[in-house]
Amino acid sequence: TQLLEQSPQFLSIQEGENLTVYCNSSSVFSSLQWYRQEPGEGPVLLVTVVTGGEVKKLKRLTFQFGDARKDSSLHITAAQPGDTGLYLCAGGNPRTSGNTPLVFGKGTRLSVIA
Amino acid sequence: DTEVTQTPKHLVMGMTNKKSLKCEQHMGHRAMYWYKQKAKKPPELMFVYSYEKLSINESVPSRFSPECPNSSLLNLHLHALQPEDSALYLCASSQVSGDSHTMNTEAFFGQGTRLTVV
Repeated sequence: TQLLEQSPQFLSIQEGENLTVYCNSSSVFSSLQWYRQEPGEGPVLLVTVVTGGEVKKLKRLTFQFGDARKDSSLHITAAQPGDTGLYLCAGGNPRTSGNTPLVFGKGTRLSVIA
Repeated sequence: DTEVTQTPKHLVMGMTNKKSLKCEQHMGHRAMYWYKQKAKKPPELMFVYSYEKLSINESVPSRFSPECPNSSLLNLHLHALQPEDSALYLCASSQVSGDSHTMNTEAFFGQGTRLTVV
């Protein structure tokens, strides 16, 4: 069973458009992370959200953590070709106590066309 | 320094070879991880070390043998691999809360080793 469900799996948009990526779970997470990964590289941490209802902004990227801490969203405003990549949400595995290594969603592969 | 350094970046090995992947971090993180990532899939956890002790082995075949010689280094020894083991191998590290030994889920990843088994 996939702990974190991401949607959409693939997204191809024109430069300048806005988009939202979703990360949903039936489990409560103490925090969720968003990573961006380019082909052949390791994931790069973008943000961590901790508090239910929290909103964090990173330039044109806006991250939100659901009130119940079961879901998160990533909104990109005026997408640029440099935003192209695989966006992964991740969180500490709520099924393990104490040691909580990351579990990942399947990712959203974003392509921004100039 | 927020870098996790992995070597080599690319590796091609035969099914009878023995090779090692190396990972190094100098952030003082006491949790280190190996992940395997196949094409178009998310990273999958293989091993977790906490304070240089193996704490999680996600039922990984014994042809993969992890080693943590000290708090900055993590190795993955490879022997008798199969072509289906070809993948991107990612090392990551994170802080550990001292009292509870709870791993911080903010993990920093290396660039990965692209492994091809022929």
